[in-house]
Amino acid sequence: SAVISQKPSRDICQRGTSLTIQCQVDSQVTMMFWYRQQPGQSLTLIATANQGSEATYESGFVIDKFPISRPNLTFSTLTVSNMSPEDSSIYLCSVRASTNEKLFFGSGTQLSVL
Amino acid sequence: QKEVEQNSGPLSVPEGAIASLNCTYSDRGSQSFFWYRQYSGKSPELIMSIYSNGDKEDGRFTAQLNKASQYVSLLIRDSQPSDSATYLCAVIDPGNQFYFGTGTSLTVIP
Repeated sequence: SAVISQKPSRDICQRGTSLTIQCQVDSQVTMMFWYRQQPGQSLTLIATANQGSEATYESGFVIDKFPISRPNLTFSTLTVSNMSPEDSSIYLCSVRASTNEKLFFGSGTQLSVL
Repeated sequence: QKEVEQNSGPLSVPEGAIASLNCTYSDRGSQSFFWYRQYSGKSPELIMSIYSNGDKEDGRFTAQLNKASQYVSLLIRDSQPSDSATYLCAVIDPGNQFYFGTGTSLTVIP
């Protein structure tokens, strides 16, 4: 499995500010995703990060709020913009080697918005 | 709407017992099934995958799949306190999308 480094591991932010989360993979991967896990909840897919093009967002998530970049096959960023306390969650980067392969997760970013 | 359903628990078992975790899924065309373990404050870790009907064993873990009943289970034999975690069932649908259940919280009591 790939080694997935995610940073920051946690942050406490003020309302109205933005935070950019970085995800670095030690090998080239076909598919990268960003998930959110709110307290006590399961995983919700935010978007698929597409290399060299705009991310594909799931229903309920928009680019203005969660801009995503993926400049190459090993790196992606997720920005949580204009944060509110409702954005307090764990944000997880994940990768799949191909469409039928398993999904692996980064270590996650614990975000708290005051 | 595609669903993966799990009993949220909490499930408590004594140390050394067998823990049985269950999952049902709604899309009959799903072909790939996974169990993830998530410790509190940590990210999910893949522990088992199963693709064919029947049982698949890996150490103390056994995954069971019954496609006719749309049912996946995970058995943990000789449960240890270190097995205390939330277990997430995941399914890949025919469109190659991952769907996760809400997780079952397991506590192994020493």
